[in-house]
Amino acid sequence: NAGVMQNPRHLVRRRGQEARLRCSPMKGHSHVYWYRQLPEEGLKFMVYLQKENIIDESGMPKERFSAEFPKEGPSILRIQQVVRGDSAAYFCASSLPGQPSYEQYFGPGTRLTVT
Amino acid sequence: ELKVEQNPLFLSMQEGKNYTIYCNYSTTSDRLYWYRQDPGKSLESLFVLLSNGAVKQEGRLMASLDTKARLSTLHITAAVHDLSATYFCAVVYFGNEKLTFGTGTRLTIIP
Repeated sequence: NAGVMQNPRHLVRRRGQEARLRCSPMKGHSHVYWYRQLPEEGLKFMVYLQKENIIDESGMPKERFSAEFPKEGPSILRIQQVVRGDSAAYFCASSLPGQPSYEQYFGPGTRLTVT
Repeated sequence: ELKVEQNPLFLSMQEGKNYTIYCNYSTTSDRLYWYRQDPGKSLESLFVLLSNGAVKQEGRLMASLDTKARLSTLHITAAVHDLSATYFCAVVYFGNEKLTFGTGTRLTIIP
């Protein structure tokens, strides 16, 4: 059973470009979460999605960031017009609804560097 | 504002010693998790604590939860070098599914 998959693992973008980060949840998992980890800091929640629905986006910056989880295909975190402050590790996690522990399983992360 | 605080932030200890990492949180929670992160890597789940008084052990690590005190501890017994990593606690609040992470404790085990 494959774990949570993220790609790319490393992404370099120049200021002003767009970054697209992909996340494929574990098989059977329909809940996806995105977290951001700035250098030397803990993880901060960004957004929680279920298939075709955004459930909680309270951690998303108001501008330039968007997320989706379509009926088919991976979840996408999109950052438009990237700035240096967007440089961070972005982790995706997935969980299985109905599981008592609601444990979230994390992917390997995408490390975004903005030059 | 929801807060999850860990202490210490940095911990350097000798092999063979015992120590405890503390995780305090500000609001009633129904779930608490401990994760390990190695440099440049993802998060590895260590423990899930679901109820007051819960205690779980795996190898040299033991985690406990006191929901009344809003406190969880991660105890390390007879530390070995392989335990060097950053440890995070994370809390889920009632009616919410997002994880609120603590600040992390960077543990270094010295031979």
